[in-house]
Amino acid sequence: GENVEQHPSTLSVQEGDSAVIKCTYSDSASNYFPWYKQELGKRPQLIIDIRSNVGEKKDQRIAVTLNKTAKHFSLHITETQPEDSAVYFCAASKGGTIQGAQKLVFGQGTRLTINP
Amino acid sequence: EAQVTQNPRYLITVTGKKLTVTCSQNMNHEYMSWYRQDPGLGLRQIYYSMNVEVTDKGDVPEGYKVSRKEKRNFPLILESPSPNQTSLYFCASSLQRRGLPLPLHFGNGTRLTVT
Repeated sequence: GENVEQHPSTLSVQEGDSAVIKCTYSDSASNYFPWYKQELGKRPQLIIDIRSNVGEKKDQRIAVTLNKTAKHFSLHITETQPEDSAVYFCAASKGGTIQGAQKLVFGQGTRLTINP
Repeated sequence: EAQVTQNPRYLITVTGKKLTVTCSQNMNHEYMSWYRQDPGLGLRQIYYSMNVEVTDKGDVPEGYKVSRKEKRNFPLILESPSPNQTSLYFCASSLQRRGLPLPLHFGNGTRLTVT
């Protein structure tokens, strides 16, 4: 089955600097890679996702890049702000089929702290 | 408002006392799933359901049961809770499309402590 490894487990950056979180996956058939942000005491919420037919996707200060050959994808946050402090989870999935539902496998999480 | 509702938010119980955590969604989603979150381990899937009366095991199903009698509800049942089931639990749902993965919508979580 799919295995997703996420690094680093903790990351501390100065406000205004950039943050990068990296994930690798094992199943070359995975075709959907979402990122979830979980603020303290709250539920995970989708912040950005990418499908395997594109290599990069941006949404304001956040971007995700995908390297299918190397089977890794990364989250990039530029101009970090205090409200970016949270735990971030990557995940990988294949689409649902007649035989089974989509199965989303999560990475271990990265605790990002933005220092003012 | 489209949402996934879990109850209770907090639960403290004793070993062996059966409990149920409820989950309900109002988005007409076919797919529902339960995850547990433990430090350093991320979110691990317990059970999932593709539709009414269709459920299957995730990665950590031992000690848990689920049922899907109605499309909107997907309760998680711990028949005989043990301390190693102390965790933060999330229910999630999404539309189900063949060949097209879709985002998950999470509930607010249930923090369970088993003493």
